[in-house]
Amino acid sequence: AQTVTQSQPEMSVQEAETVTLSCTYDTSESDYYLFWYKQPPSRQMILVIRQEAYKQQNATENRFSVNFQKAAKSFSLKISDSQLGDAAMYFCAYRSMNYGGATNKLIFGTGTLLAVQP
Amino acid sequence: EAQVTQNPRYLITVTGKKLTVTCSQNMNHEYMSWYRQDPGLGLRQIYYSMNVEVTDKGDVPEGYKVSRKEKRNFPLILESPSPNQTSLYFCASAYLASSSNEQFFGPGTRLTVL
Repeated sequence: AQTVTQSQPEMSVQEAETVTLSCTYDTSESDYYLFWYKQPPSRQMILVIRQEAYKQQNATENRFSVNFQKAAKSFSLKISDSQLGDAAMYFCAYRSMNYGGATNKLIFGTGTLLAVQP
Repeated sequence: EAQVTQNPRYLITVTGKKLTVTCSQNMNHEYMSWYRQDPGLGLRQIYYSMNVEVTDKGDVPEGYKVSRKEKRNFPLILESPSPNQTSLYFCASAYLASSSNEQFFGPGTRLTVL
């Protein structure tokens, strides 16, 4: 069974600085997706960034980028130029690329609570 | 606007009183799913549905029921709620033909069982 581990329950960053959130996962599959979701105090789950395992290039979305190390099964999120609005719980998630049934399930880590200091 | 809606957003109830949390999506998605979120555990899947009249258990189905009579609706039923079902619940949906199968989440339902 696949598992996702986020070893940093809480992180803090100064406004305008850069922060990296860690995520490791375990799987025997070769094809899968990895995601970072943001959950602000409103509780809404917001997709931040997605990475397909077959792509070597790291995904980037504006100030958000990932460092995907497939062999090490590591998927960290880097937030550049941190803003007050980035303060939230961040979840790393895994999903198999095989279609159908239970493989559509998202497997989540336990989350990292990010505080942004002005 | 494409969205997943859940009702109610907040609910306080007592042990044993049957309740239903509704979920509806307007994107014609085949796939729908329920998750619960608990501190220190992240989100875990309760049930999912691949299409109308097709449902199956996720990782934590005990104490829950679902139905999928219409494509847009996927209610979560707690026939006899217990305090250990106090949690934050999310409904999600996805279009299966999409290569990424991105799941869209509802706003969440905060349930407290006394």
